[in-house]
Amino acid sequence: QKEVEQNSGPLSVPEGAIASLNCTYSDRGSQSFFWYRQYSGKSPELIMFIYSNGDKEDGRFTAQLNKASQYVSLLIRDSQPSDSATYLCAVKAGGYQKVTFGTGTKLQVIP
Amino acid sequence: NAGVMQNPRHLVRRRGQEARLRCSPMKGHSHVYWYRQLPEEGLKFMVYLQKENIIDESGMPKERFSAEFPKEGPSILRIQQVVRGDSAAYFCASSSLAGEETQYFGPGTRLLVL
Repeated sequence: QKEVEQNSGPLSVPEGAIASLNCTYSDRGSQSFFWYRQYSGKSPELIMFIYSNGDKEDGRFTAQLNKASQYVSLLIRDSQPSDSATYLCAVKAGGYQKVTFGTGTKLQVIP
Repeated sequence: NAGVMQNPRHLVRRRGQEARLRCSPMKGHSHVYWYRQLPEEGLKFMVYLQKENIIDESGMPKERFSAEFPKEGPSILRIQQVVRGDSAAYFCASSSLAGEETQYFGPGTRLLVL
């Protein structure tokens, strides 16, 4: 079983719609959760991190965490063509533990 | 520019040569991580270092690969006797403390083995 699982996509949404990206993880000891965006040929850039159950909003982005279900998601409101990229979910246990990345979901926003 | 720096950005080597990839973390960061990414694939963790210590090298191939993060200077990922399968993008990320979770990535080094 993969430690962090994401649907590889591509997920296609029309411009202006809400894009919903999902991620599940296997380690119940995980404490920190991250979403990165990676454009083709570029390095990952941090979008958001979340530590507590519930929702965290930052502009058009909302991260949702449910530790009981071992599930984290990212919602992108008013999707734009510039949001087209691969979105990586990452999970970390506490202390001197590595961050584990999912393989990413490719998002395509159709104009 | 206080971001994570990597050099070279592109590196071409012939089979059997050595590749040295450098990573300078963000100012104030003492933790460095190395990842490898093959085309159209996810990030694969290789090694996690603190200055002068290897914290976790569970993702490093047992042979030909080594990493260090000396007290002074950048972190170095060294690949000896490169093979074509080593061709990939190698990313470095840094964070300030083990408890400060957020990693910031450098631009990567694209290694091509001919």
